[in-house]
Amino acid sequence: DAGVTQSPTHLIKTRGQQVTLRCSPISGHKSVSWYQQVLGQGPQFIFQYYEKEERGRGNFPDRFSARQFPNYSSELNVNALLLGDSALYLCASSLSLYEQYFGPGTRLTVT
Amino acid sequence: AQSVTQPDIHITVSEGASLELRCNYSYGATPYLFWYVQSPGQGLQLLLKYFSGDTLVQGIKGFEAEFKRSQSSFNLRKPSVHWSDAAEYFCAVGEGDFNKFYFGSGTKLNVKP
Repeated sequence: DAGVTQSPTHLIKTRGQQVTLRCSPISGHKSVSWYQQVLGQGPQFIFQYYEKEERGRGNFPDRFSARQFPNYSSELNVNALLLGDSALYLCASSLSLYEQYFGPGTRLTVT
Repeated sequence: AQSVTQPDIHITVSEGASLELRCNYSYGATPYLFWYVQSPGQGLQLLLKYFSGDTLVQGIKGFEAEFKRSQSSFNLRKPSVHWSDAAEYFCAVGEGDFNKFYFGSGTKLNVKP
């Protein structure tokens, strides 16, 4: 079975630009969560979506937004990029509460 | 507020030696606790989890963890470390009725031959 997939693998953007990251959950999983992992730190919760609705949001500015599609895939959008947005962005899918499976992440570098 | 503390940033052990990675949490209710491992350039792999019941939980790759409510701890152990265990280990606590996890800052494990 395919695991959680994320695209792109790596991305380089300039300050002020916008970026879209994509995630495909494990087949049958209806929930997707997004995390930001800055170098040297643990992941920080950004969003959770379930059945296309936002279920939870972490302490991130409104520049961060996400959505979930009918096929349960998800996109994370970040506007007006800052240098501090450079991080590994992880997507996790789950079938049930607290059973999260993480993808390999998208490495975003903002210059 | 919920928080997870991993007091050891780096740990080095010799191959074949035992390992204990420390994790302390702050959470008002009964916690849902997890240990994940992350290899360079990889996502997070679940090692084990504690929801309730037996306080000693077994995971994959020979790892185990013990939940001690009185100490607010959930330490990860392995009796004999292999070189392939070198990675970064994260402790996490789950909150609420959705999948919001609080992660610790991680412990990097080096294994000496």
